[in-house]
Amino acid sequence: AQSVTQLDSHVSVSEGTPVLLRCNYSSSYSPSLFWYVQHPNKGLQLLLKYTSAATLVKGINGFEAEFKKSETSFHLTKPSAHMSDAAEYFCVVSDPEGFQKLVFGTGTRLLVSP
Amino acid sequence: KAGVTQTPRYLIKTRGQQVTLSCSPISGHRSVSWYQQTPGQGLQFLFEYFSETQRNKGNFPGRFSGRQFSNSRSEMNVSTLELGDSALYLCASSLDGENIQYFGAGTRLSVL
Repeated sequence: AQSVTQLDSHVSVSEGTPVLLRCNYSSSYSPSLFWYVQHPNKGLQLLLKYTSAATLVKGINGFEAEFKKSETSFHLTKPSAHMSDAAEYFCVVSDPEGFQKLVFGTGTRLLVSP
Repeated sequence: KAGVTQTPRYLIKTRGQQVTLSCSPISGHRSVSWYQQTPGQGLQFLFEYFSETQRNKGNFPGRFSGRQFSNSRSEMNVSTLELGDSALYLCASSLDGENIQYFGAGTRLSVL
């Protein structure tokens, strides 16, 4: 079965400093991995998707993630945090047997202070 | 292009009642999936419909059901509501063959 583990429930950064949100995955197949963001009282927005075409994936709003098979990791980074980045971030893997069935991590809440 | 639309945004029900939630997918998307989000269990997959047929199902009791219409709009129904059914219910749509899902804003259900 596919699964993802988000290593931090909360991450606090100052505005203008780098962001690192950590995710490890478990998959017996070549996985499809995603990062989604959820702002308060909003639905989920796709940040980026790993397609196996490139290990470094660029997403929206300056976020990127690197797929490392040897470490089974898919960490999300951003060089400089903005106040508007404060939200909950989910690392997600899709089930290859249920193509549209997404398996979510427990989420990481990103706090950005001025 | 309009996004995924869920109605209503908020619902308050009492235990034992039943409820129906609605989801209109992005135009051209024929796959609709439903998820339940709670503080304790996080985001969990309920089911997916494609061309009016349930194609995938999560581990939820039979009180949770859904359907899809010929225009791809979907409804989910929860019968005999329990306090633990209080949650944000999210709907997502996608193009067939593409495993990127686009989410609606959700329906927040409170069961008293």
